[in-house]
Order: sequence, then C-alpha cells, then structure tokens
Amino acid sequence: DQQVKQNSPSLSVQEGRISILNCDYTNSMFDYFLWYKKYPAEGPTFLISISSIKDKNEDGRFTVFLNKSAKHLSLHIVPSQPGDSAVYFCAASALGRSSASKIIFGSGTRLSIRP
Amino acid sequence: DGGITQSPKYLFRKEGQNVTLSCEQNLNHDAMYWYRQDPGQGLRLIYYSQIVNDFQKGDIAEGYSVSREKKESFPLTVTSAQKNPTAFYLCASSERTGGNQPQHFGDGTRLSIL
Repeated sequence: DQQVKQNSPSLSVQEGRISILNCDYTNSMFDYFLWYKKYPAEGPTFLISISSIKDKNEDGRFTVFLNKSAKHLSLHIVPSQPGDSAVYFCAASALGRSSASKIIFGSGTRLSIRP
Repeated sequence: DGGITQSPKYLFRKEGQNVTLSCEQNLNHDAMYWYRQDPGQGLRLIYYSQIVNDFQKGDIAEGYSVSREKKESFPLTVTSAQKNPTAFYLCASSERTGGNQPQHFGDGTRLSIL
C-alpha cells in the first residue's frame, strides 16, 4: 500500500504558465515533506521541503503548499520554463518517530513544458 | 566537485550470479542509502547506513547485502537470492540520517538479467 501517492503520472504545461504537481499521503504521522526533481539518466536532486508546522514554503519560482487536514500537498512552479521538464518526486517522513526516520517516495510525475 | 559516483552505469547479471554495485561519496556524509526504482513506482529503500560499520535493512532487503567499511563507500551486492533484480538502483547520502535531511543521489545503475 503506497503511503505517498502521485496520481498523475504525467503533466503537460505551456511555457510561462503555472505548473501544479499534486501529492497525497495516507500516514498521519508524516510531518516533513520534500520534493525532488529528476532529469533522465541522472539521480534525483532536492528541490524544496516543508514542515507540517507550516502550510506554505516558497523558494523563487517554486512554492509548496501543505493541507494537513486533506493530507495533500502540491508544488507550484511559476512561470514554467523548458528546463523544468523532468520527473518530480514527492516524499514524506515522520520526524517525530526516530532520528533515523525514513523518507517515503511517491511514484513521480513527469512534467513536460511545451513552447 | 563533491558528489556521489555510482558504477557501472549499466550491468548485466546471469542467472545464479552475484553482482556488486559501487557507490562512492566525497561529501563527508555519515549516512548512505540504497534505493530500487521499478517502472511506475517510487524509490524503495533497500538498506541504509547511519555510520561506518553499521547498516540497517530497509523495506526490501531480501536478496541484497551491503557493507560499510569506509565512510565514503557503500557497495550493494545483488545476490542470486534476489529473484527479480532487474531495476534501476540509486545510491544516496546525507549528512546524517533523519527524515528532514535532503539526500544527494548518484546517477544510478541499471541492472538487467541476461
């Protein structure tokens, strides 16, 4: 049973518009969330994170929103650029449980930015 | 440049054969991880190590073994007991373990069965 779900395997957005990638989780113990970006033939790279004490975290063109009651988070990219075309992984962890808490990854969403 | 190096990029295994995937980091990180990625699935944790000479099983450790004799190295052996080894394997490291520690990933090794 997947604890972190990215229900859209792919997303196509026009350059300059907003890209919204969604992620749902089932474990109410999760209190820290991360987004990773992956280009073909490369490993994932860390993009942005958010703690459950916040509902929004912004870093340049990237903003992550967290809705704890709905167990849902989203990554907004504004404006979308061609270099944003990649696979985006949502990940979650339960910090309070252990100093060695594991990160659980979603299955990824492939974002394509079209001209 | 600091980073994580995985080798080889592609690897083929014959039936009944053990193969070892290399992972080296020069980031001076204490924690290292091995993940497996299958099509349409997220990254699943195989093994992780918090410190030299210590490692713990992840969610899918059966058929795999690791060692952590040096801080910078965390090789993964895929044994013949792993019946479905074809996958993309990713190694990662972080300063220490913990769910709020962003992990740095290598570029992966793709393992296939001959």
